[in-house]
Amino acid sequence: DVKVTQSSRYLVKRTGEKVFLECVQDMDHENMFWYRQDPGLGLRLIYFSYDVKMKEKGDIPEGYSVSREKKERFSLILESASTNQTSMYLCASSLMGRGHYNEQFFGPGTRLTVL
Amino acid sequence: AQTVTQSQPEMSVQEAETVTLSCTYDTSENNYYLFWYKQPPSRQMILVIRQEAYKQQNATENRFSVNFQKAAKSFSLKISDSQLGDTAMYFCAFSLNNDMRFGAGTRLTVKP
Repeated sequence: DVKVTQSSRYLVKRTGEKVFLECVQDMDHENMFWYRQDPGLGLRLIYFSYDVKMKEKGDIPEGYSVSREKKERFSLILESASTNQTSMYLCASSLMGRGHYNEQFFGPGTRLTVL
Repeated sequence: AQTVTQSQPEMSVQEAETVTLSCTYDTSENNYYLFWYKQPPSRQMILVIRQEAYKQQNATENRFSVNFQKAAKSFSLKISDSQLGDTAMYFCAFSLNNDMRFGAGTRLTVKP
C-alpha cells in the first residue's frame, strides 16, 4: 500500500515564526502536492512538484514556499506564519501520467494553529 | 479552469438506508477522470470510487456506486445500506493531466 506520512498531526506556532511541514511518500511517486483544507472551501492547491528540484505554484502560493530535494520528500515552508494560515494541511502524491495514475494518495494531515 | 460544485454541505441518513451525494463540474475537455474521496473524522482521506469519462458504464465498488451523466456534467455518489462507518466528509474531485480539483465537500452523518 502507498504510504504518505506527515511530520506532525498537530502544530501550534506563533505569528512570525518560520514553519516547516514535512511529507514523505514511500511508493516512488513522481508527483507530490500540498493542499490546505478549510471548511466550505474544500481543498485548495498551494504548490506541487513533478520531479526533484522542480516546483510549480498552485492556486494559493502566497506566503508559502516548498522544497523537494529528494523524490520521496516534499516540504512546505511558511516563511513568516500568520493567523490566516491556520488550517489543515494535506500532502498527497501520485504517479506521473494519465489514466488511473491521476489518483492521489493523501497523508493524514497537519492541523496548524498560528497564534 | 475546471470547477467542481457540491451543493449539499451536510446530509444525514439512517443506518441501512440509501443516500445520494451530488456533484457537478464544469469543463470543456472530453477525457478526464472523476473521483469520490472519503475523509472520516480525524482520519486520512481515502479513495472511494473513480470514473473514467470515456467509459459510459457507471463505476461501482460494493455499496458505493456513481451516476455519471457526462452531458449534464454530473457525478453523484450513491451509498446503499449505509453504515455508521460511512460517517465522513465526502469530496468530489475532477482530474485532468495530473491536476486535481476538489469540491467543497459534503458532511455525511449516518444515524443509528
